[in-house]
Amino acid sequence: SQQGEEDPQALSIQEGENATMNCSYKTSINNLQWYRQNSGRGLVHLILIRSNEREKHSGRLRVTLDTSKKSSSLLITASRAADTASYFCATFEFSQGGKLIFGQGTELSVKP
Amino acid sequence: DGGITQSPKYLFRKEGQNVTLSCEQNLNHDAMYWYRQDPGQGLRLIYYSQIVNDFQKGDIAEGYSVSREKKESFPLTVTSAQKNPTAFYLCASTRGASGRTDTQYFGPGTRLTVL
Repeated sequence: SQQGEEDPQALSIQEGENATMNCSYKTSINNLQWYRQNSGRGLVHLILIRSNEREKHSGRLRVTLDTSKKSSSLLITASRAADTASYFCATFEFSQGGKLIFGQGTELSVKP
Repeated sequence: DGGITQSPKYLFRKEGQNVTLSCEQNLNHDAMYWYRQDPGQGLRLIYYSQIVNDFQKGDIAEGYSVSREKKESFPLTVTSAQKNPTAFYLCASTRGASGRTDTQYFGPGTRLTVL
């Protein structure tokens, strides 16, 4: 079952620009997490935002959560070529026991 | 990739063969997970285990089997009943058994190809 849906599916920007990715979900959540995946590698956790939080920062990353709209966004500021990767949101649903539900991801390409 | 290792990195299977993918973690994590990822897709949960000697089916368990005899090990067997096994397989773990507020730590993945 897919919960989070990312938008856009693919994003291409120039180095130095900001990149914004969005995630929408359907049911009540405990938390929402963002992960990064370089091509052919495992996923790396970036940031977790709880359902009672609205915004969270980590370095050049800024995540917002709007539970009324069931949506989240990930902003990467001053992007670098090394940020090129796929980015996934994952939600922990109350009804799903011990499972995270992953979206299909946004493929980000940052051109030098 | 944290303290999770997966082997082999690449695996080729002939039709009708069972193959076993290894996943080991030295993080002393309670819960472990297996995911399947197809090209351009997100992750789909195959099986997960919250404690030793116990595991639950995920969304796409048919054609797969697992065991959890030791806390640090969670091998996945892809059986001949899995008709389309070519995919990238990812193992993950979380510190707590519930996984509710824990981040998942992923291994580097195994790419399985059916010949």
